[in-house]
Amino acid sequence: TQLLEQSPQFLSIQEGENLTVYCNSSSVFSSLQWYRQEPGEGPVLLVTVVTGGEVKKLKRLTFQFGDARKDSSLHITAAQPGDTGLYLCAGEPGGSEKLVFGKGTKLTVNP
Amino acid sequence: NAGVMQNPRHLVRRRGQEARLRCSPMKGHSHVYWYRQLPEEGLKFMVYLQKENIIDESGMPKERFSAEFPKEGPSILRIQQVVRGDSAAYFCASSPRGQFSQPQHFGDGTRLSIL
Repeated sequence: TQLLEQSPQFLSIQEGENLTVYCNSSSVFSSLQWYRQEPGEGPVLLVTVVTGGEVKKLKRLTFQFGDARKDSSLHITAAQPGDTGLYLCAGEPGGSEKLVFGKGTKLTVNP
Repeated sequence: NAGVMQNPRHLVRRRGQEARLRCSPMKGHSHVYWYRQLPEEGLKFMVYLQKENIIDESGMPKERFSAEFPKEGPSILRIQQVVRGDSAAYFCASSPRGQFSQPQHFGDGTRLSIL
């Protein structure tokens, strides 16, 4: 069974601070996706990374896929209260279309 | 939420009743996935379907659960003789094709509560 471990599980910071969320596995994934989920809603796709070592930026969010395609990170610069939410990483195991999800990082940004 | 429509949004059933959850994929998407999210848990894959075919049901409980995606109409996740442990949020996702790195877009889910 391929597992994705996310850390930290909870993160509470002040507006303007930087943060990094990690997503780790002992298994290789064909691709990895980051989602953000608000209470009462479904996950919303932020980014898909495919190539080992790939870095993608989305405004103040920077996503990196590990060289070995076993891990990923999400870095947020100058966090804002609007960044508050549950961040989920999900990996696509090779040869399978189903997604394996981490348990998520619940981020709270205090004004 | 990205065009995937799920209904109902909330469903209350008594133990022993049947629950039917519906999912209409995004326009142009022919691949549907169902996931279950328990409190404080991540989303768990249940089943992957294309029109009229079940491709992967490795995450489905062996009893009481079934899924279909008919030629016409929405995908249906059916739970017979519901029990308290079935209480969860059920999410549907769709993608244009089930190939490598095609992103899955999620609906807002159906929250099932069993009394």
